Amino acid sequence: DVKVTQSSRYLVKRTGEKVFLECVQDMDHENMFWYRQDPGLGLRLIYFSYDVKMKEKGDIPEGYSVSREKKERFSLILESASTNQTSMYLCASSLWGQGILGNQPQHFGDGTRLSIL
Amino acid sequence: DQQVKQNSPSLSVQEGRISILNCDYTNSMFDYFLWYKKYPAEGPTFLISISSIKDKNEDGRFTVFLNKSAKHLSLHIVPSQPGDSAVYFCAASLMLRGSSNTGKLIFGQGTTLQVKP
Repeated sequence: DVKVTQSSRYLVKRTGEKVFLECVQDMDHENMFWYRQDPGLGLRLIYFSYDVKMKEKGDIPEGYSVSREKKERFSLILESASTNQTSMYLCASSLWGQGILGNQPQHFGDGTRLSIL
Repeated sequence: DQQVKQNSPSLSVQEGRISILNCDYTNSMFDYFLWYKKYPAEGPTFLISISSIKDKNEDGRFTVFLNKSAKHLSLHIVPSQPGDSAVYFCAASLMLRGSSNTGKLIFGQGTTLQVKP
């Protein structure tokens, strides 16, 4: 079974702090993703990475950055936390797939519920 | 701009009956569609997917139907069980770079299914 592990289930930080959320997958997946989930908005993509040291912005990258130094690890960084970043953060990974028949599902971790006070 | 929409926030069905969850999308470039199930305090779990070159995919009690002309996707659960009570997300994949597919997903807002014993 695919295992995606997020380092913390619950995290409380203060406004202005630099916050690190860590994610590790054990299936040698090329692609990794960070989403946030908010009520009524579903899941929204923050950043993704399709290779080590590669990253691309998702739909809501403002206020966030990411780091992928190793294939199995993808970190999300809140440079200066703000209260509107209080949310559930979900990490996912997937195999790289070629073409229309090569699509691969994403597998998710259990999430980190982050509160910014 | 919500490209993937689940217009019913909630659905309640009796155990043993059919559950039908619906999803609409606007972007005709989507080529892969998925359904995820999410319990509280857990990450989304992949359920079933369908490629845009098919109109039906079945896996046990779960069947996904795709109507490309209507840009409509549905998930049928037969028979429904109390353990199916969860939030269901539909998602669509957008091919990003040439013929490769990084697996970026765009999610709907979710539908909460309650199956009553």
